[in-house]
Amino acid sequence: EIVLTQSPGTLSLSPGERATLSCRASQTVSTSYLAWYQQKPGQAPRLLIYGTSTRATGIPDRFSGSGSGTDFSLTISRLEPEDFAVYYCQQFGSSLWTFGQGTKVEIK
Amino acid sequence: QLQLQESGPGLVKPSETLSLTCTVSGGSISSSSYYWGWIRQPPGKGLEWIGNMYYSGTTYYNPSLKSRVTISIDTSKNQFSLKLRSVTAADTAVYFCARHVIHDSSGYPKPLLDYWGQGTLVTVSS
Repeated sequence: EIVLTQSPGTLSLSPGERATLSCRASQTVSTSYLAWYQQKPGQAPRLLIYGTSTRATGIPDRFSGSGSGTDFSLTISRLEPEDFAVYYCQQFGSSLWTFGQGTKVEIK
Repeated sequence: QLQLQESGPGLVKPSETLSLTCTVSGGSISSSSYYWGWIRQPPGKGLEWIGNMYYSGTTYYNPSLKSRVTISIDTSKNQFSLKLRSVTAADTAVYFCARHVIHDSSGYPKPLLDYWGQGTLVTVSS
């Protein structure tokens, strides 16, 4: 089973700043199989990025994803007030799905 | 617009069976492109994938839960269900249903969870 480890656990930033979130896999993950989700309190997760770098429908271009092998990242170029939330990476392999433990992006 | 809605008891006693249903509207659960499944989130914690099912009957389960989980589909009602047996307090969580995409229309791998229900809190307590 592939384990995803996200860092940092919490990121304290101000609106307008750049956020870089990391997701490290315990084994190589195909770039096609890595996605990112955003979750706000009391809401279901929302798909942001799939296939490592493809934005889902309606996701603004300040969100970008990159990476390969075991190291992946999500970047928010300039934080907007609505971007403060928890972000999860997710991988698919051998018909099973796993999530990272999440990174909380909070207002500094 | 596709919508998913979870339903079921919010309180289950320890050792009993947790049963939830997800009703899909705005699209057919029998579509050949999708799996349908469940994810849970204990209070204040992260997401845990439980399992999914194809309309034809193929199922996949999280190995850590496999011995206690059954997912089923009722195509006539456009619903799918979750049963989790022998629950304990550790099973207290918000349970989400979600549509699982595996491939795009060309068959290219594109695994993602694109539509989610709002989630339902299930508490295990006597």
